[in-house]
Amino acid sequence: AQSVTQPDIHITVSEGASLELRCNYSYGATPYLFWYVQSPGQGLQLLLKYFSGDTLVQGIKGFEAEFKRSQSSFNLRKPSVHWSDAAEYFCAVAPNNAGNMLTFGGGTRLMVKP
Amino acid sequence: DAGVIQSPRHEVTEMGQEVTLRCKPISGHNSLFWYRQTMMRGLELLIYFNNNVPIDDSGMPEDRFSAKMPNASFSTLKIQPSEPRDSAVYFCASRNRDSAEAFFGQGTRLTVV
Repeated sequence: AQSVTQPDIHITVSEGASLELRCNYSYGATPYLFWYVQSPGQGLQLLLKYFSGDTLVQGIKGFEAEFKRSQSSFNLRKPSVHWSDAAEYFCAVAPNNAGNMLTFGGGTRLMVKP
Repeated sequence: DAGVIQSPRHEVTEMGQEVTLRCKPISGHNSLFWYRQTMMRGLELLIYFNNNVPIDDSGMPEDRFSAKMPNASFSTLKIQPSEPRDSAVYFCASRNRDSAEAFFGQGTRLTVV
């Protein structure tokens, strides 16, 4: 069965600083990979996804993520964080076939200092 | 499309009462998921359906929980009887057959007192 680990429960960065959120997965093959963001009181919104091809994927709100097969990682990055990016971020994985389930990591709560 | 629609948004009930949460997936989507989110356990998959058929319900915590999907446009998650430890935010998500990307509803915040 697949699993996802987000090692950092909380991260605080200053506004304008760069950001990297870590995600490691466990799965026998290359899965589909996702990053979702959840603002307080809201559902989860997809930021970006990786299925195949270019290992650097661009998402909404200026986010990007890089798939590294050798490290089983899919870290999320943003060059300059805005106060509105404060939220909880979830990495998720699904086996690369149709009709499969999505497994989420424990989430990383991002706080942004002015 | 209005997205995944869940109702109610908030539910407060007394211990022992039956609770029914409702979900309308995005039209054309053939997979539906129920998740529970708590501070202690994060996001847990309870059950998921493909083409209205339950595929994996191993995440359903107890027999008190049941889920149905009578047609492609409606699903329910029922808790009977409810207990205070069931208090959580319950999310429904749907996905189409050509994409692994899931779209989430706004959630139902359940409080059992």
